[in-house]
Amino acid sequence: EVQLLESGGTLVQPGGSLRLSCEFSGFSFSAHAMSWVRQAPGKGLEWVSAIVPAGGSTYYADSVKGRFSISRDNSKNTLSLQMNRLRGDDTGVYYCAKVQRTISLLVMDVWGQGTAVTVSS
Amino acid sequence: DIQMTQSPSSLSASVGDRVTITCLASQDINNYLSWYQQKPGKAPRLLIYDTSNLETGVPSRFSGSGSGTDFSFTISSLQPEDIATYYCQQYDNFPPTFGQGTKLEI
Repeated sequence: EVQLLESGGTLVQPGGSLRLSCEFSGFSFSAHAMSWVRQAPGKGLEWVSAIVPAGGSTYYADSVKGRFSISRDNSKNTLSLQMNRLRGDDTGVYYCAKVQRTISLLVMDVWGQGTAVTVSS
Repeated sequence: DIQMTQSPSSLSASVGDRVTITCLASQDINNYLSWYQQKPGKAPRLLIYDTSNLETGVPSRFSGSGSGTDFSFTISSLQPEDIATYYCQQYDNFPPTFGQGTKLEI
C-alpha cells in the first residue's frame, strides 16, 4: 500500500523557521517527482513546490521563492520542506504528494494526510 | 499564472441527481486538467486527469470533459458519500493552479 506521512508542523512565530518531512512507503520513491501543496484555513489548494526524481531540479511558487527549500533523500525515502522567514499567510495544512507522471505534467495521485503549520505570535 | 475559475462555488443537490461543475481556464491548457475531491478534514483525492481519464479505483459515475479553456466535471447519480469539495487544476503551465473549489452539499 502506498503511504505518505508528513510531520513537523507546529506553531511558530513570524520570521521563524520550520522543517517539514514526508516519509514514503509502498512505491519506488526515487522514480517519482514529488510536490508540496498547502491549504490555508477554510481556503482552497495552493501548489507550493516540486522536485524531480533525482533531486537536481526544484520548482517554487512565487509566494515562497527564496524562503522555502525542497529536498529529498532517496536513500531514506524522505521528502523535506525547509521553511524560513515564515509569515502569517504561510499558515495552513501542508500536504506532500506524489507526482503521477513527470514534473512537467504535475498531477498528484497520492497525498499524505497533511501537517498543520501555524505562524503566529 | 493561469487562472482557473470554477462554478458554482457551492451546490445543493439530492441523492440520485446529475451534478455538473464547470471550470474555465484563462488560456488554452491543452486538456491538461485534473479534478480532485476533498472531504472535510481529509487530503485531496485525484479523480480525473487529462480532462477525462478516470483514476484507478474511481467510480464510473464520475466523468470529465471539455477542451481548450472550458471544462466540466459530472457526477451522473449523486451518492451520499460524494459530499465534498471539488477542485479543478491545470498543469499545462508552471505554476500548476487550482480552481477555488465547489462545495457540494445534499
